[in-house]
Amino acid sequence: AQSVTQLDSHVSVSEGTPVLLRCNYSSSYSPSLFWYVQHPNKGLQLLLKYTSAATLVKGINGFEAEFKKSETSFHLTKPSAHMSDAAEYFCVVSGGSNYKLTFGKGTLLTVNP
Amino acid sequence: GAGVSQSPSNKVTEKGKDVELRCDPISGHTALYWYRQSLGQGLEFLIYFQGNSAPDKSGLPSDRFSAERTGGSVSTLTIQRTQQEDSAVYLCASSKGQSHQPQHFGDGTRLSIL
Repeated sequence: AQSVTQLDSHVSVSEGTPVLLRCNYSSSYSPSLFWYVQHPNKGLQLLLKYTSAATLVKGINGFEAEFKKSETSFHLTKPSAHMSDAAEYFCVVSGGSNYKLTFGKGTLLTVNP
Repeated sequence: GAGVSQSPSNKVTEKGKDVELRCDPISGHTALYWYRQSLGQGLEFLIYFQGNSAPDKSGLPSDRFSAERTGGSVSTLTIQRTQQEDSAVYLCASSKGQSHQPQHFGDGTRLSIL
């Protein structure tokens, strides 16, 4: 069994300030973890993935995430927010069968000018 | 094309009608998935196809829902006798099918049942 909890349904930041989107997971297997972003009326775009290699994962558009097994966390960060980062972000876990993804409920990121 | 293609992008239909949603995966991707995204339920897994293996239909919410994948490529999701609770965005994804490979999503079909 696996589950994902995104701790904030909505995060609001000012442009140029850091972004932190929090995610905790639970999995009976060694998980693969992903962050996806969804802009309005679009599908989900992969930001980054963790698959048991380096614990600090770098993704596209300056995002990165750190896998912390002891805390069962996989938080997403970015040093400086841009207006174009405003979107919904999903933390996703897969394990066991490796194809069935379990999605968090999403965090809506608002970036203020 | 380079990405997963879904059609139509929007579909409005009357309750009780049947609808067909189409997904064209990335060329060479052997695995194909359907998900449903709705306000109350978030993102839900519906069905998974991998090569010539029997599909995993464990996420289909009722027997009104069915899907097929012809020739290991294009897939069609069919909803019969649509109900208002079927209103949602239906997302298709594909992957290389090997373990830990990320899924690539289409832009979805927004289905509205009147």
